[in-house]
Amino acid sequence: QVQVVQSGAEVKKPGASVKLSCTASGYTFNQYYMHWVRQAPGQGLEWMGIFNPSAGSTAYAQRFQGRITMTGDTSTGTVYLDLSSLTSEDTAVYYCARVPMGPFWYLDLWGRGTLVTVSS
Amino acid sequence: QSALTQPASVSGSPGQSITISCTGTSSDVGGYNLVSWYQQHPAKVPKLMVYEVIKRPSGVSNRFSGSKSGNTASLTISGLQADDEAVYYCCSYTTSGTLVFGGGTKLTVL
Repeated sequence: QVQVVQSGAEVKKPGASVKLSCTASGYTFNQYYMHWVRQAPGQGLEWMGIFNPSAGSTAYAQRFQGRITMTGDTSTGTVYLDLSSLTSEDTAVYYCARVPMGPFWYLDLWGRGTLVTVSS
Repeated sequence: QSALTQPASVSGSPGQSITISCTGTSSDVGGYNLVSWYQQHPAKVPKLMVYEVIKRPSGVSNRFSGSKSGNTASLTISGLQADDEAVYYCCSYTTSGTLVFGGGTKLTVL
């Protein structure tokens, strides 16, 4: 079955970091980019960045620069999102979603999301 | 990068057609044919409905269609059904090599 499987919910204190995972299943990992999108409670979708599994390269949304890191492990088909200096405003569901490699920019397969709660 | 502009809500009766607009700039919507639309039911994962302005993924009803004129893209849903009630998001590639979403439009089927 073609899917992306995300890690479980996290609860963090302000100032902490969180590392989320997203594992590809049923398709060739390095033939798709992986994007991360988040959604705060009751709010819209917000694009965070893209990871290229073939090159290990990344591009991040300006507002996260300096506290976001995306990495990957081709041996397990897993992409990681590391977000530091958490505040309550980072409380959200974090989705990973794949995009076919090439000049394509549509998110055709989404994970079920990981809820991150930041609270003291 | 500012979010794309969508109406907060639209509504229609079963069988009718509605159109949701998505306004950006020449640096995103107007500059590329790389607009996509996503449907999100409450507490569900977003689903791709239209990509590259006018294309539909396999399995998506032909009642959903996309278009673009200048800096504004549109999603039209014809023959409205109860299950179409959801929030719809547009998304565009930008000159910065990033993606930007619209704020979302809640569709109510009366």
